[in-house]
Parts: sequence; structure tokens; C-alpha cells
Amino acid sequence: GAVVSQHPSRVICKSGTSVKIECRSLDFQATTMFWYRQFPKKSLMLMATSNEGSKATYEQGVEKDKFLINHASLTLSTLTVTSAHPEDSSFYICSAREGGRDEQYFGPGTRLTVT
Amino acid sequence: AQKVTQAQTEISVVEKEDVTLDCVYETRDTTYYLFWYKQPPSGELVFLIRRNSFDEQNEISGRYSWNFQKSTSSFNFTITASQVVDSAVYFCALDTYNTDKLIFGTGTRLQVFP
Repeated sequence: GAVVSQHPSRVICKSGTSVKIECRSLDFQATTMFWYRQFPKKSLMLMATSNEGSKATYEQGVEKDKFLINHASLTLSTLTVTSAHPEDSSFYICSAREGGRDEQYFGPGTRLTVT
Repeated sequence: AQKVTQAQTEISVVEKEDVTLDCVYETRDTTYYLFWYKQPPSGELVFLIRRNSFDEQNEISGRYSWNFQKSTSSFNFTITASQVVDSAVYFCALDTYNTDKLIFGTGTRLQVFP
């Protein structure tokens, strides 16, 4: 149980385009989803927290208009990187939590390369 | 402020050696959770353990063991008789009741050579 999927696993896009990453909880309802970013050989940094049906809460320094997060259902959250630039290239990982203080279950990650 | 420090950036050992990965945390909250995750080259985070602040009992799971000491704010992880498959980056993380977010350490890259 507690499986989280991400799609796509890898994506290459051109500078200036937008790319959407999906995060799905497959066997539970996720009231809260988290998005992390990880640069090569670096730690995971929380970008934002999203609760189903409400606006995401972004961490300091994360541009809301650049990284659009939608958590429209209890099993799906999406991260859209708008007008991508090479510096947005990174490994994006989502996690999902069923409720309360349950632990987070992590997706396999999406490697984004912007050329 | 919450903080997790993993002072060891990289560790190299030979198979069958024991290895301990250090983790020191900072928080003023009295209720918190500590975690260890493994990240193999594939990138997917593998959950290893979660420990709450009220449970200082050490834990053993196969070749893995964890030593939680509140007095030194440490949550160290030991792999006994290491194997090549243990090669990965290991992250220690902290989640406090008040902040409700995972704070990761910088990770320790473990290389186990045959």
C-alpha cells in the first residue's frame, strides 16, 4: 500500500515552454501533497505544500507564478513549471500524506532538463 | 529554527565493514519525528525508519540499527556488515509538530566497495 506515482519520469523541454508534472496517490486519498526540488548531489528542498481544494503554500524564495501547483482531487496534484529556463533543470519529487500527522509517501521523482 | 546536520559528506568502506552515519538535529519543539531515507542512484527515496521524540528506544532491523539520543540531539544510523547494494545517499530528516514539514539534512553518500 501507500504508493505514489509521478509522470513523466523524465522530460526534456525547450527554454520558454511550460511543462506539467503529475503526482498521484494510487491506493489512498492524499489530503496533503508536498513538492520538493533536488539539485544534483544536493538535498531535497521543500517547494510547497498543497491541501486538496485549497491554494498551495509556497516556501520562501519559491516563485508562485513560476511553479504552479494544483491539487484538484484527493489523488492528484500537478506542478507546472512555466516558461522554463535551464536553471529550472532539476529533480522534482512529490510526496503525499493521507491525513493528520501520517508520514509522507514519496513518488519516484521527475527529472526535468530544460535546453 | 529547525535544522538537520549530516557532517559526513561521503564515506567509503569495503564490504562487510560496519559503518555509522551521523545525524544531529536542532529543534525547540518537544514533539517531533526523525526519519532516515535511502536514495539509490535511481533517485527514488526509500523510507527506512521514523522515530518520534517520545520514543528513545534504539531499533534494529536486520543489518540496520538506529541510536536515538535526545541528550545529544543525535539520531545515528549503523549498517552492519555492509554490502555493495547499500551504496546510496542517505538522508536524515526532521518533522516537528508545529512546522509540519520535513527538513532534510544534506545527505551522506555511502560507497561500499567489493
